[in-house]
Amino acid sequence: EPEVTQTPSHQVTQMGQEVILRCVPISNHLYFYWYRQILGQKVEFLVSFYNNEISEKSEIFDDQFSVERPDGSNFTLKIRSTKLEDSAMYFCASSEGQVPLYGYTFGSGTRLTVV
Amino acid sequence: KQEVTQIPAALSVPEGENLVLNCSFTDSAIYNLQWFRQDPGKGLTSLLLIQSSQREQTSGRLNASLDKSSGRSTLYIAASQPGDSATYLCAVRASGSRLTFGEGTQLTVNP
Repeated sequence: EPEVTQTPSHQVTQMGQEVILRCVPISNHLYFYWYRQILGQKVEFLVSFYNNEISEKSEIFDDQFSVERPDGSNFTLKIRSTKLEDSAMYFCASSEGQVPLYGYTFGSGTRLTVV
Repeated sequence: KQEVTQIPAALSVPEGENLVLNCSFTDSAIYNLQWFRQDPGKGLTSLLLIQSSQREQTSGRLNASLDKSSGRSTLYIAASQPGDSATYLCAVRASGSRLTFGEGTQLTVNP
Protein backbone atom coordinates (compact mmCIF):
# COMPACT_ATOMS: atom_id res chain seq x y z
CA GLU A 1 0.00 0.00 0.00
CA PRO A 2 1.36 3.46 -0.89
CA GLU A 3 2.81 5.42 2.02
CA VAL A 4 3.72 8.96 2.93
CA THR A 5 7.34 8.95 4.07
CA GLN A 6 8.75 11.46 6.53
CA THR A 7 12.36 12.10 7.51
CA PRO A 8 13.89 12.35 10.00
CA SER A 9 11.77 10.47 12.52
CA HIS A 10 13.23 12.51 15.35
CA GLN A 11 15.14 15.79 15.31
CA VAL A 12 16.64 17.70 18.20
CA THR A 13 17.59 21.31 17.56
CA GLN A 14 18.70 24.31 19.55
CA MET A 15 16.38 27.25 19.98
CA GLY A 16 16.87 29.78 17.20
CA GLN A 17 18.13 27.24 14.67
CA GLU A 18 16.46 26.52 11.35
CA VAL A 19 15.01 23.08 10.71
CA ILE A 20 13.69 21.45 7.57
CA LEU A 21 11.29 18.56 7.84
CA ARG A 22 10.98 16.38 4.78
CA CYS A 23 8.12 14.40 3.31
CA VAL A 24 7.59 12.27 0.24
CA PRO A 25 3.85 12.22 -0.50
CA ILE A 26 2.13 9.45 -2.42
CA SER A 27 3.18 9.79 -6.03
CA ASN A 28 -0.20 10.42 -7.70
CA HIS A 29 -1.50 12.72 -4.99
CA LEU A 30 -1.90 16.40 -5.77
CA TYR A 31 -2.71 17.94 -2.38
CA PHE A 32 -0.21 18.10 0.44
CA TYR A 33 -0.58 19.11 4.07
CA TRP A 34 1.33 19.67 7.28
CA TYR A 35 -0.20 19.14 10.70
CA ARG A 36 1.34 19.20 14.14
CA GLN A 37 0.52 17.64 17.48
CA ILE A 38 1.94 19.10 20.66
CA LEU A 39 2.29 16.39 23.31
CA GLY A 40 -1.07 15.65 24.90
CA GLN A 41 -2.97 18.00 22.58
CA LYS A 42 -5.10 17.75 19.44
CA VAL A 43 -3.70 17.34 15.96
CA GLU A 44 -3.72 20.85 14.44
CA PHE A 45 -3.74 21.94 10.81
CA LEU A 46 -0.82 24.07 9.65
CA VAL A 47 -0.97 24.41 5.88
CA SER A 48 -2.25 22.91 2.64
CA PHE A 49 -0.43 23.08 -0.68
CA TYR A 50 -1.63 22.53 -4.23
CA ASN A 51 -0.24 23.36 -7.64
CA ASN A 52 2.95 24.76 -6.12
CA GLU A 53 1.28 27.25 -3.87
CA ILE A 54 -0.29 27.47 -0.45
CA SER A 55 -4.04 26.99 -0.67
CA GLU A 56 -4.80 27.49 3.00
CA LYS A 57 -2.88 28.17 6.19
CA SER A 58 -3.82 28.37 9.82
CA GLU A 59 -3.10 31.12 12.30
CA ILE A 60 -0.24 28.97 13.61
CA PHE A 61 1.54 29.14 10.24
CA ASP A 62 3.23 32.51 10.64
CA ASP A 63 6.27 34.02 8.91
CA GLN A 64 8.57 31.59 10.70
CA PHE A 65 7.13 28.73 8.67
CA SER A 66 7.43 28.03 4.97
CA VAL A 67 6.71 25.11 2.67
CA GLU A 68 8.21 24.08 -0.59
CA ARG A 69 8.01 21.37 -3.20
CA PRO A 70 11.60 21.56 -4.45
CA ASP A 71 11.24 18.73 -6.94
CA GLY A 72 8.65 16.27 -8.19
CA SER A 73 8.66 14.10 -5.10
CA ASN A 74 9.60 16.01 -1.93
CA PHE A 75 7.50 18.38 0.17
CA THR A 76 9.27 20.27 2.94
CA LEU A 77 8.36 22.32 5.99
CA LYS A 78 10.93 24.87 7.13
CA ILE A 79 10.92 26.57 10.51
CA ARG A 80 13.31 29.50 10.30
CA SER A 81 14.10 30.21 13.95
CA THR A 82 12.78 27.51 16.23
CA LYS A 83 11.20 28.28 19.58
CA LEU A 84 10.69 25.96 22.54
CA GLU A 85 6.95 25.93 21.78
CA ASP A 86 7.63 24.48 18.31
CA SER A 87 8.42 21.16 19.99
CA ALA A 88 5.79 18.78 18.64
CA MET A 89 5.16 15.87 16.33
CA TYR A 90 4.83 17.12 12.77
CA PHE A 91 2.77 15.08 10.33
CA CYS A 92 2.76 15.33 6.57
CA ALA A 93 -0.32 14.15 4.67
CA SER A 94 -1.45 13.91 1.09
CA SER A 95 -4.64 13.30 -0.86
CA GLU A 96 -5.53 12.68 -4.47
CA GLY A 97 -8.11 15.44 -4.56
CA GLN A 98 -9.42 18.32 -2.52
CA VAL A 99 -12.36 16.15 -1.43
CA PRO A 100 -10.63 12.80 -1.70
CA LEU A 101 -12.44 9.59 -2.46
CA TYR A 102 -10.02 7.61 -0.33
CA GLY A 103 -9.28 10.05 2.45
CA TYR A 104 -6.07 11.55 3.66
CA THR A 105 -2.91 9.51 4.09
CA PHE A 106 -0.63 10.58 6.91
CA GLY A 107 3.05 9.89 7.40
CA SER A 108 4.48 8.48 10.61
CA GLY A 109 5.65 11.91 11.73
CA THR A 110 8.79 13.77 12.74
CA ARG A 111 9.21 14.40 16.44
CA LEU A 112 10.84 17.81 16.77
CA THR A 113 12.43 18.68 20.11
CA VAL A 114 13.68 22.23 20.58
CA VAL A 115 16.12 22.66 23.48
CA LYS B 1 -15.37 27.64 13.50
CA GLN B 2 -15.64 23.86 13.43
CA GLU B 3 -15.21 22.13 16.79
CA VAL B 4 -14.91 18.36 17.17
CA THR B 5 -15.52 16.60 20.47
CA GLN B 6 -14.94 12.94 21.28
CA ILE B 7 -16.54 11.07 24.15
CA PRO B 8 -15.37 9.31 26.21
CA ALA B 9 -11.81 10.58 26.60
CA ALA B 10 -10.72 7.16 27.81
CA LEU B 11 -12.29 3.73 27.84
CA SER B 12 -11.14 0.44 29.34
CA VAL B 13 -12.94 -2.78 28.41
CA PRO B 14 -12.36 -6.52 28.72
CA GLU B 15 -11.39 -8.45 25.63
CA GLY B 16 -14.32 -9.56 23.49
CA GLU B 17 -16.59 -6.67 24.36
CA ASN B 18 -18.34 -4.63 21.68
CA LEU B 19 -17.88 -0.90 22.09
CA VAL B 20 -18.90 2.46 20.67
CA LEU B 21 -16.81 5.61 20.39
CA ASN B 22 -18.55 8.91 19.83
CA CYS B 23 -17.64 11.99 17.83
CA SER B 24 -19.64 15.19 17.51
CA PHE B 25 -19.01 18.27 15.38
CA THR B 26 -20.53 21.73 15.46
CA ASP B 27 -20.78 22.59 11.77
CA SER B 28 -22.87 20.03 9.90
CA ALA B 29 -21.78 21.31 6.47
CA ILE B 30 -18.99 18.78 6.12
CA TYR B 31 -17.53 17.08 3.07
CA ASN B 32 -16.37 13.96 4.87
CA LEU B 33 -15.37 12.46 8.21
CA GLN B 34 -12.44 10.16 8.79
CA TRP B 35 -11.57 7.91 11.72
CA PHE B 36 -7.90 7.31 12.53
CA ARG B 37 -5.98 5.15 14.93
CA GLN B 38 -2.87 6.45 16.70
CA ASP B 39 -0.52 4.24 18.67
CA PRO B 40 1.64 5.96 21.33
CA GLY B 41 4.28 8.17 19.73
CA LYS B 42 3.30 7.03 16.25
CA GLY B 43 1.56 8.34 13.16
CA LEU B 44 -2.08 8.30 12.14
CA THR B 45 -3.48 5.20 10.50
CA SER B 46 -6.67 5.70 8.53
CA LEU B 47 -9.48 3.37 9.54
CA LEU B 48 -12.61 4.55 7.74
CA LEU B 49 -13.68 7.49 5.60
CA ILE B 50 -17.34 8.49 5.31
CA GLN B 51 -18.33 10.96 2.61
CA SER B 52 -21.08 13.45 3.46
CA SER B 53 -23.56 11.58 1.24
CA GLN B 54 -22.98 8.27 3.06
CA ARG B 55 -24.51 6.98 6.27
CA GLU B 56 -21.99 4.33 7.20
CA GLN B 57 -18.84 2.47 6.26
CA THR B 58 -17.59 -0.93 7.37
CA SER B 59 -14.17 -2.52 7.45
CA GLY B 60 -13.78 -5.86 9.18
CA ARG B 61 -14.81 -5.47 12.82
CA LEU B 62 -15.19 -1.71 12.46
CA ASN B 63 -18.33 0.15 11.51
CA ALA B 64 -18.60 3.92 11.36
CA SER B 65 -21.85 5.82 11.03
CA LEU B 66 -22.53 9.43 10.18
CA ASP B 67 -25.54 11.59 10.99
CA LYS B 68 -24.73 14.93 9.44
CA SER B 69 -27.89 16.68 10.52
CA SER B 70 -27.22 16.01 14.20
CA GLY B 71 -23.46 16.47 13.86
CA ARG B 72 -22.57 13.00 15.12
CA SER B 73 -20.53 9.98 14.14
CA THR B 74 -19.94 6.72 15.96
CA LEU B 75 -17.23 4.11 15.58
CA TYR B 76 -18.38 0.65 16.54
CA ILE B 77 -15.73 -1.97 17.30
CA ALA B 78 -16.97 -5.55 17.51
CA ALA B 79 -15.33 -8.27 19.57
CA SER B 80 -12.52 -6.06 20.83
CA GLN B 81 -8.97 -7.43 21.10
CA PRO B 82 -5.92 -6.26 23.07
CA GLY B 83 -4.36 -5.20 19.76
CA ASP B 84 -7.15 -2.65 19.38
CA SER B 85 -5.66 -0.67 22.27
CA ALA B 86 -4.78 2.77 20.87
CA THR B 87 -6.12 6.30 20.64
CA TYR B 88 -8.92 6.74 18.13
CA LEU B 89 -9.24 10.11 16.45
CA CYS B 90 -12.15 11.56 14.54
CA ALA B 91 -11.51 14.29 11.95
CA VAL B 92 -13.92 16.28 9.79
CA ARG B 93 -13.37 18.16 6.58
CA ALA B 94 -15.64 21.17 6.27
CA SER B 95 -15.02 24.35 4.28
CA GLY B 96 -11.49 25.01 3.10
CA SER B 97 -8.98 22.20 2.91
CA ARG B 98 -8.24 21.48 6.55
CA LEU B 99 -9.18 18.52 8.69
CA THR B 100 -10.35 19.41 12.18
CA PHE B 101 -9.52 16.76 14.76
CA GLY B 102 -11.07 15.76 18.03
CA GLU B 103 -8.94 15.08 21.09
CA GLY B 104 -9.38 11.35 20.72
CA THR B 105 -10.57 8.43 22.79
CA GLN B 106 -7.84 6.37 24.45
CA LEU B 107 -8.97 2.75 24.33
CA THR B 108 -7.50 -0.04 26.46
CA VAL B 109 -8.65 -3.60 25.84
CA ASN B 110 -7.66 -5.87 28.71
CA PRO B 111 -6.88 -9.55 28.07
